Amino acid sequence: SQTIHQWPATLVQPVGSPLSLECTVEGTSNPNLYWYRQAAGRGLQLLFYSVGIGQISSEVPQNLSASRPQDRQFILSSKKLLLSDSGFYLCAWSHRAYEQYFGPGTRLTVT
Amino acid sequence: AQSVAQPEDQVNVAEGNPLTVKCTYSVSGNPYLFWYVQYPNRGLQFLLKYITGDNLVKGSYGFEAEFNKSQTSFHLKKPSALVSDSALYFCAVYPGRRALTFGSGTRLQVQP
Repeated sequence: SQTIHQWPATLVQPVGSPLSLECTVEGTSNPNLYWYRQAAGRGLQLLFYSVGIGQISSEVPQNLSASRPQDRQFILSSKKLLLSDSGFYLCAWSHRAYEQYFGPGTRLTVT
Repeated sequence: AQSVAQPEDQVNVAEGNPLTVKCTYSVSGNPYLFWYVQYPNRGLQFLLKYITGDNLVKGSYGFEAEFNKSQTSFHLKKPSALVSDSALYFCAVYPGRRALTFGSGTRLQVQP
């Protein structure tokens, strides 16, 4: 069966520091991968999605970037964090775009 | 643009009573509709989907949803609520490309 992992589970970082969040999927190959941000425990905002290695589409211009160095690995990064980057970051995978499976999430607090 | 709306920020229901969480949609063509649930500090879990076929869709944990084309609605229902159903519920639509578009979420509170 397929599983999706995210780490770290929680992170507290000062403003201006770099960020790297990792997402990996097991038990499947060539998945579509997604990064979402959930602010204030509410709606989800799609940040990035990827249909293959090195193929990243950005949905919202911002302080963040994404990379997909391996088929089942998706990384969310920032060079300098802002206070507004705080939130709950969710990674998801799918084979069909309308059937997405979510990871456990990373709680990021920027102080 | 394809979108979904969840008009209620919060729904309160007593344990054992039926529950309904509302969702309306705006799409061109045939909609692909979904319900997800999120427990505190967790990722989203898939509950059910409507692609085509019967208007009443059954999903996980005893939930079901009714697709109503004339009212452009896809309300989530359960005949008898449990305290453990308390969570954040998201309606979503697939706009035909890239990823799902989610509603703003409805917090369900089931009181014992």
